[in-house]
Amino acid sequence: DTGVSQDPRHKITKRGQNVTFRCDPISEHNRLYWYRQTLGQGPEFLTYFQNEAQLEKSRLLSDRFSAERPKGSFSTLEIQRTEQGDSAMYLCASSPKPSQGNEQFFGPGTRLTVL
Amino acid sequence: SQQGEEDPQALSIQEGENATMNCSYKTSINNLQWYRQNSGRGLVHLILIRSNEREKHSGRLRVTLDTSKKSSSLLITASRAADTASYFCATAVHNYGQNFVFGPGTRLSVLP
Repeated sequence: DTGVSQDPRHKITKRGQNVTFRCDPISEHNRLYWYRQTLGQGPEFLTYFQNEAQLEKSRLLSDRFSAERPKGSFSTLEIQRTEQGDSAMYLCASSPKPSQGNEQFFGPGTRLTVL
Repeated sequence: SQQGEEDPQALSIQEGENATMNCSYKTSINNLQWYRQNSGRGLVHLILIRSNEREKHSGRLRVTLDTSKKSSSLLITASRAADTASYFCATAVHNYGQNFVFGPGTRLSVLP
């Protein structure tokens, strides 16, 4: 396991379509984060999982967004009825248990373009 | 509004010079972290400083934290062209669990 992986790396979709992204964290990490990043800005926190439990969710996350981590390993982020404003880079990160450090390891991201 | 704000927004220096970036934040924090992002790629963790620490070193990096001023600085010494990237500070806010807040970043260009 060489790091956090995300799939797909790029996604182009038409407005109104649903999209789903996948994140595979580092295997022994129990914490997983999703962020959204637009050009020239820092990442914006979307949601956080500890194992399979979704413990935090940003107020930025509208009801069109849903994330899951069913077995406490990989996670999916789904956006329903996409809008042009959803175009961004979606980043996933994972962290080990707090006792092992708070560093976040980021994946390469999924770049979403909504036409 | 963002918790962390980096300053300057952009910085251009010659190879071999030192680069200093600053980060200000608004609320109490547990720790502050600095990350680097090369163009179009994921973020890489550089260094973490806890709220009870004042200075930390890692290789050519030096980070300071002043909780009374709610600010941090990242110094990169003897910069190299490979240091060209965007640098972000991220804060873990008290009572917000794992909600990490990133600033808009400083875009550093190191010219050969």
